[in-house]
Amino acid sequence: GAGVSQSPRYKVAKRGQDVALRCDPISGHVSLFWYQQALGQGPEFLTYFQNEAQLDKSGLPSDRFFAERPEGSVSTLKIQRTQQEDSAVYLCASSLLQLNQPQHFGDGTRLSIL
Amino acid sequence: QKEVEQNSGPLSVPEGAIASLNCTYSDRGSQSFFWYRQYSGKSPELIMFIYSNGDKEDGRFTAQLNKASQYVSLLIRDSQPSDSATYLCAVNAGNNRKLIWGLGTSLAVNP
Repeated sequence: GAGVSQSPRYKVAKRGQDVALRCDPISGHVSLFWYQQALGQGPEFLTYFQNEAQLDKSGLPSDRFFAERPEGSVSTLKIQRTQQEDSAVYLCASSLLQLNQPQHFGDGTRLSIL
Repeated sequence: QKEVEQNSGPLSVPEGAIASLNCTYSDRGSQSFFWYRQYSGKSPELIMFIYSNGDKEDGRFTAQLNKASQYVSLLIRDSQPSDSATYLCAVNAGNNRKLIWGLGTSLAVNP
């Protein structure tokens, strides 16, 4: 596709359930980023992949959060045993490898934990 | 002190005026600077990026970077109601591809 594609657009889950969010980056984009955005806040960095390698996961808030990109293309962000504080918009972005290349965002997944 | 700071606004300007949005950053090693626009309920959309001191113009938008003073600004000429959105400043420091974001400035352009 022409842009970054994320699914689902909306996800409602009960507290304690596991969820999986998918990101399909722009074709040819080596770098992939996950962000969490709360209402009225800027995006907060979660993790970064270069191809299949997860080079930075310093922003993952707890060990309940796990991300993978096994073939260097599609990425999945998994949240286990969800809590209400996990409710947010999860944004995925991709960019070319070269340093300083701008990141392009998908439409995000709005996660609501009941 | 937050690493990237923006006035939260709202900044209100009349249609046709120039809107000026400012962003300051704390890391002197920062190398690249981005302005994103975000409409309510939507994801951030890239507006401008700038790497070198000075001005960069693209249509009605001008980004200005002053590394000595550690600020980057975005000027929107001939503001339109459709420009009403939150404008996010993002900074990439050094070799780390992670973007550090401001909280955004809310802009309202009044017809």
